[in-house]
Amino acid sequence: AQSVSQHNHHVILSEAASLELGCNYSYGGTVNLFWYVQYPGQHLQLLLKYFSGDPLVKGIKGFEAEFIKSKFSFNLRKPSVQWSDTAEYFCAANNAGNMLTFGGGTRLMVKP
Amino acid sequence: ETGVTQTPRHLVMGMTNKKSLKCEQHLGHNAMYWYKQSAKKPLELMFVYNFKEQTENNSVPSRFSPECPNSSHLFLHLHTLQPEDSALYLCASSQVPRDSPLHFGNGTRLTVT
Repeated sequence: AQSVSQHNHHVILSEAASLELGCNYSYGGTVNLFWYVQYPGQHLQLLLKYFSGDPLVKGIKGFEAEFIKSKFSFNLRKPSVQWSDTAEYFCAANNAGNMLTFGGGTRLMVKP
Repeated sequence: ETGVTQTPRHLVMGMTNKKSLKCEQHLGHNAMYWYKQSAKKPLELMFVYNFKEQTENNSVPSRFSPECPNSSHLFLHLHTLQPEDSALYLCASSQVPRDSPLHFGNGTRLTVT
């Protein structure tokens, strides 16, 4: 079965630290990849997406993610986190035309 | 403002009650979804409607009954729920095809007592 795994359930960082959240998927063939973010008390919103082309994708708020096909990975990165990045982050994937499968989420807490 | 509005925000119901969750989208999308978000579990897709037609029912128990009267409105009718059904129920919408990003509502926090 297709699945998406996020290995870190909770991450705690200090401001200005670098961030990398892991995401692995188990899809074969062409895959679309997404990162969604849910800030405290707010709705899930799209952070960035990869469909094709440059495997390094830039998203909003300084986030980026790199698609590494050989590793079935789509890790999320940010060079320097801020307190306002405290949120839960969800990786998701699908094959073209099929339903999204979400990972379990990673709760990030950034200490001021 | 997300463009996807869910009501109520919070709901407490007994196991013998009947209630409904409502979702409305103002984005002109033609696909709508119900997801369940439980603690420590991945987001679970429950139902999908494309152009008002149900296209996915992800093995959801019959005590959950969706209704999509038009492309802008989606309901989830609840009856004889169990305590383990307590969760955050999220509505989302997107354009077709399904590769389009989802736009989520704020969710309804449901507690079954």
